[in-house]
Amino acid sequence: DAEITQSPRHKITETGRQVTLACHQTWNHNNMFWYRQDLGHGLRLIHYSYGVQDTNKGEVSDGYSVSRSNTEDLPLTLESAASSQTSVYFCASSGPGETQYFGPGTRLTVL
Amino acid sequence: QKEVEQDPGPLSVPEGAIVSLNCTYSNSAFQYFMWYRQYSRKGPELLMYTYSSGNKEDGRFTAQVDKSSKYISLFIRDSQPSDSATYLCAMSAGNTPLVFGKGTRLSVIA
Repeated sequence: DAEITQSPRHKITETGRQVTLACHQTWNHNNMFWYRQDLGHGLRLIHYSYGVQDTNKGEVSDGYSVSRSNTEDLPLTLESAASSQTSVYFCASSGPGETQYFGPGTRLTVL
Repeated sequence: QKEVEQDPGPLSVPEGAIVSLNCTYSNSAFQYFMWYRQYSRKGPELLMYTYSSGNKEDGRFTAQVDKSSKYISLFIRDSQPSDSATYLCAMSAGNTPLVFGKGTRLSVIA
């Protein structure tokens, strides 16, 4: 069955370190998205991509970057992790139409 | 004014009750409307999808869209403890990222 996976599921890192969160989907969807979810803020869009080599900034993109070299993967990089980036991160993908399918999430703690 | 407003709750109801969850929005260009359900420590999962105005029913769930009032609703009939989750509304104008409400936390008490 097609699916979307995220790794790692849990990560603890230190302030200032570079961290990369992986997202992989097997639906062959063109559109992929990264969100963070924090209490009181709901889901906030970080970056998104509508196809290979395409990336766009979302609502809260500062301190994050993405690159899209193939259809299946959209890794999210925190260039220099900050405590304010402690959060739960969700990846999602969508094909034709607007429905997004979410991964299980990565819980990131920055100490 | 935020694009999408959703009462965060929490909402607590007895088993068997009819639940009404709502969102209001300000962007008249929105035409795709969704409801997601999110269990604790899980990713959101699509529950209902509606295009433009009208009603859609799926089992115990009914989604309503009133574009003239910029108001969408999700009704849950015969609510069960397994319906306890956070419900997020989401909407899009098409070819744009979804805009999410902050979610309403629902508890169904047996």
